[in-house]
Amino acid sequence: GESVGLHLPTLSVQEGDNSIINCAYSNSASDYFIWYKQESGKGPQFIIDIRSNMDKRQGQRVTVLLNKTVKHLSLQIAATQPGDSAVYFCAEVNYGGATNKLIFGTGTLLAVQP
Amino acid sequence: DVKVTQSSRYLVKRTGEKVFLECVQDMDHENMFWYRQDPGLGLRLIYFSYDVKMKEKGDIPEGYSVSREKKERFSLILESASTNQTSMYLCASSLSQLNTEAFFGQGTRLTVV
Repeated sequence: GESVGLHLPTLSVQEGDNSIINCAYSNSASDYFIWYKQESGKGPQFIIDIRSNMDKRQGQRVTVLLNKTVKHLSLQIAATQPGDSAVYFCAEVNYGGATNKLIFGTGTLLAVQP
Repeated sequence: DVKVTQSSRYLVKRTGEKVFLECVQDMDHENMFWYRQDPGLGLRLIYFSYDVKMKEKGDIPEGYSVSREKKERFSLILESASTNQTSMYLCASSLSQLNTEAFFGQGTRLTVV
């Protein structure tokens, strides 16, 4: 929503540059990771996912990298556009539980400067 | 496309009122979730449900209850609203246990005065 961006880490990039958004996750047993994008006034939307047996996955203009050794996830956005301005959340899932629930990080605000 | 619809975008309620937040999904998803979103805290899970009439507590269930009488509908209930429940509330659904991609509604901004 409109106040989600307050108090968040902010990444400011120039239009056309590449963006890298980082996330440290908490559970070394997590099996599955997702990146969500939340634009102002909207609910989060799925961007890309990766399973724990992979270290890289590419989508359209986006790449997710997973480093299980240090429990680190990153989202790379190529040729960042103004429409990419949003809050980005990583989420993790552990299939070992009774129900697979998503645990979200606190988010990063991406601000694209024209 | 999956659609998750929350009944209200904005609500203002008084302290002590009983509040119902409604969520409907149209893709026959098994799992449904309620989160609240606060600045600097991200999304925190309140309750979730993996089947009709089934519910499980999330990380912050205190002060809330839920109801899932039909597969497509998941209601969040604030039994006696308090000012610290002022927040953005997000409903989500996912297909099944092994397909965890969650689809979100647009959110309900609740203000308790």
